[in-house]
Amino acid sequence: NAGVTQTPKFQVLKTGQSMTLQCAQDMNHNSMYWYRQDPGMGLRLIYYSASEGTTDKGEVPNGYNVSRLNKREFSLRLESAAPSQTSVYFCASSVIGGRAYNEQFFGPGTRLTVL
Amino acid sequence: QKEVEQNSGPLSVPEGAIASLNCTYSDRGSQSFFWYRQYSGKSPELIMSIYSNGDKEDGRFTAQLNKASQYVSLLIRDSQPSDSATYLCAVNKQYTGNQFYFGTGTSLTVIP
Repeated sequence: NAGVTQTPKFQVLKTGQSMTLQCAQDMNHNSMYWYRQDPGMGLRLIYYSASEGTTDKGEVPNGYNVSRLNKREFSLRLESAAPSQTSVYFCASSVIGGRAYNEQFFGPGTRLTVL
Repeated sequence: QKEVEQNSGPLSVPEGAIASLNCTYSDRGSQSFFWYRQYSGKSPELIMSIYSNGDKEDGRFTAQLNKASQYVSLLIRDSQPSDSATYLCAVNKQYTGNQFYFGTGTSLTVIP
């Protein structure tokens, strides 16, 4: 099992450009998440999808859109990139219900720089 | 009030000592509790999860949960230089759409 995979690993954009970050998991998890991590700010939730067919805003959704393509895939789109979106982006997934712990697992991250 | 609070550190301990990391959470409805280790430039890695009050041990790691006081702790025994990392505390609330809430992390340095 590959776990959670993300593409690309690195990306440099110019202000105003758009791009989509891809995430896929092969653990049959229901829930998927997008976080950004900035120095001193910890992990901040952008959007999440509790189950296939649903998406909800997290703490910092402005400037982003998401698509839960199917149970495995959850993409994050920046329509018009801004320098404030320079960050490391992590995708994660977890199971919902059943097991007590609902453990969450992370992908390797995408380092995005917006010039 | 933040959902999860941690002392940002940095925390330094000598090799072989016990490192103690603490975390408090604000919502009594939180159901599951986790510790992640994050090396510089890497993604968070799950090292411990705990659901019930008391202690849970896994190798050199012990997680402690006290729901009445709303705190979670992580003890690392026989600390090694390879334990030097940032440790993130997280809580899960299924009734909020299975969201996870993270603290900002505690930086640990183990001195050889």
